[in-house]
Amino acid sequence: AQSVTQPDIHITVSEGASLELRCNYSYGATPYLFWYVQSPGQGLQLLLKYFSGDTLVQGIKGFEAEFKRSQSSFNLRKPSVHWSDAAEYFCAVDKPMDSSYKLIFGSGTRLLVRP
Amino acid sequence: SQTIHQWPATLVQPVGSPLSLECTVEGTSNPNLYWYRQAAGRGLQLLFYSVGIGQISSEVPQNLSASRPQDRQFILSSKKLLLSDSGFYLCAWSELAGRGDTQYFGPGTRLTVL
Repeated sequence: AQSVTQPDIHITVSEGASLELRCNYSYGATPYLFWYVQSPGQGLQLLLKYFSGDTLVQGIKGFEAEFKRSQSSFNLRKPSVHWSDAAEYFCAVDKPMDSSYKLIFGSGTRLLVRP
Repeated sequence: SQTIHQWPATLVQPVGSPLSLECTVEGTSNPNLYWYRQAAGRGLQLLFYSVGIGQISSEVPQNLSASRPQDRQFILSSKKLLLSDSGFYLCAWSELAGRGDTQYFGPGTRLTVL
């Protein structure tokens, strides 16, 4: 069955430091993978998504993610974190349902940024 | 451009009371619509989705129901709320139902059942 694991519940980094958020998936075929960000009390915004092709995907706000099939991972990275990046981040994989697809979300990683 | 609205933003309801949360989308036609619930410290769980007026699919058996009376309106309801219904409810839409289509989320409704 399709599933997503985000092993880190909380991560704290200093402003200007690099960031990597981990995501591992379970999927029987080629997955479609997504990263969403949720600011406190807000809805989710898509950062980036991977379907096929280049395994390094660029997203908005300076984020990127790398798909590694051998490790079943899709980790999110940013070279230099800004205070405004403090939020909760969700990794997701798609799953077939009837004639459509739905998203299976991980439990999220909350990012705290130290000044 | 497309926008998605949810109301109310916050709601406190007693156990056993009814519930109605509304979601509307502007700037698009025949969107796919979704209701998610986010419990504290957990990820999102898909509750219902709809590919057209009057077409509702339920993902998880529960105390809730959904309706789509108009093309761009999606309503989440309950006849009698339970404590376990507390959470953050998010509505989302996508243009198509194909694989990889981006889902766009509303601002959410925080429901507290006391």
